[in-house]
Amino acid sequence: KAGVTQTPRYLIKTRGQQVTLSCSPISGHRSVSWYQQTPGQGLQFLFEYFSETQRNKGNFPGRFSGRQFSNSRSEMNVSTLELGDSALYLCASSEGAPSTKQYFGPGTRLTVT
Amino acid sequence: DQQVKQNSPSLSVQEGRISILNCDYTNSMFDYFLWYKKYPAEGPTFLISISSIKDKNEDGRFTVFLNKSAKHLSLHIVPSQPGDSAVYFCAASTYSGAGSYQLTFGKGTKLSVIP
Repeated sequence: KAGVTQTPRYLIKTRGQQVTLSCSPISGHRSVSWYQQTPGQGLQFLFEYFSETQRNKGNFPGRFSGRQFSNSRSEMNVSTLELGDSALYLCASSEGAPSTKQYFGPGTRLTVT
Repeated sequence: DQQVKQNSPSLSVQEGRISILNCDYTNSMFDYFLWYKKYPAEGPTFLISISSIKDKNEDGRFTVFLNKSAKHLSLHIVPSQPGDSAVYFCAASTYSGAGSYQLTFGKGTKLSVIP
């Protein structure tokens, strides 16, 4: 099976703009989770989607949002970008329920200038 | 408040010797623990896991030990190989409701295996 894919791999945006990142999970996986990785904080959980529904959310401001489509592909959106949003954004998929083993994509490196 | 802590940001080990990576946690509700390995420019890859009802799990050169009373787990790599050089993340799982399990990660330990 193909692994988790994320597009784009690299992105440069300016403060105040918004950005949309995309994730395609492993075929058959219905759960998609998003994480933010920064050098000082490690991987921090953003949210999880299962069958087009957000079923878990981390402690991030409302500027961070996401959605999942019927084919399990997911997008996350960050509005009004801040310099501190510069990070590696990782998507992970799993079979769904209940499974703790997640398969990660390569990530999208977002730089906000 | 950091619930999963990896107190050593980096570790250097000679090839062929044992690498021991440590992880401490504070939340007694964690019921499953995982180790992930991450190379630069790649996403983390699953390495090994252990249920909270066990104290040891082995997979080839990798062994994870869990001490629930001390809220401590460790990953042993024997023998260490240069290809093991990567950042290792400890993660802990807890049930969040509605069929969702949330992973909480440590900040990672960068392992360097010296040939």
